[in-house]
Amino acid sequence: DAKTTQPNSMESNEEEPVHLPCNHSTISGTDYIHWYRQLPSQGPEYVIHGLTSNVNNRMASLAIAEDRKSSTLILHRATLRDAAVYYCILRGLIQGAQKLVFGQGTRLTINP
Amino acid sequence: GAGVSQTPSNKVTEKGKYVELRCDPISGHTALYWYRQSLGQGPEFLIYFQGTGAADDSGLPNDRFFAVRPEGSVSTLKIQRTERGDSAVYLCASSPGLHTGTEAFFGQGTRLTVV
Repeated sequence: DAKTTQPNSMESNEEEPVHLPCNHSTISGTDYIHWYRQLPSQGPEYVIHGLTSNVNNRMASLAIAEDRKSSTLILHRATLRDAAVYYCILRGLIQGAQKLVFGQGTRLTINP
Repeated sequence: GAGVSQTPSNKVTEKGKYVELRCDPISGHTALYWYRQSLGQGPEFLIYFQGTGAADDSGLPNDRFFAVRPEGSVSTLKIQRTERGDSAVYLCASSPGLHTGTEAFFGQGTRLTVV
């Protein structure tokens, strides 16, 4: 399973942008980059995913490096409700690589 | 209901007993996943189904764990001879298919406590 590396924790202030980094140097050409987050006492929740181009949705933006060896999840204006553990996951095309393999994630704390 | 439903939400059982955990996926979703999560850890993959068949069961820790999905919808995770180390939150997720661009929707989980 392709691996990702994320900082264990990050802290930011309410209403400020947050940039959550993820390294995935062993990514293959057919791996999608997925981000999920998990709020306390809840199941993981999909945030965004991409392959090569940067992506935007109502929750966040995903910036993917040109060589695809790293990506950054951007929360444009953090709120207290964004405090969660954020997981960066590679998900492949081939049989057996399609499951989501979670690492330890980044615990994001938002200060009021 | 619109989301993935897991029952029970909490289960306390004695060591050595048999338990069944149920997952109702979103209607029409062909892919179904089971994970377990210990305190402070990320979810650990157990098994996933495409339709009725287990496409990948490589995460099941031993032969005490078994999962079925007989009609391609509801799934049951079965644990025999439970041990205290089986205590965790068991999460189920479903997605429309196995295309890697599709998102997975998770339930709230079943908290299993083995005493």
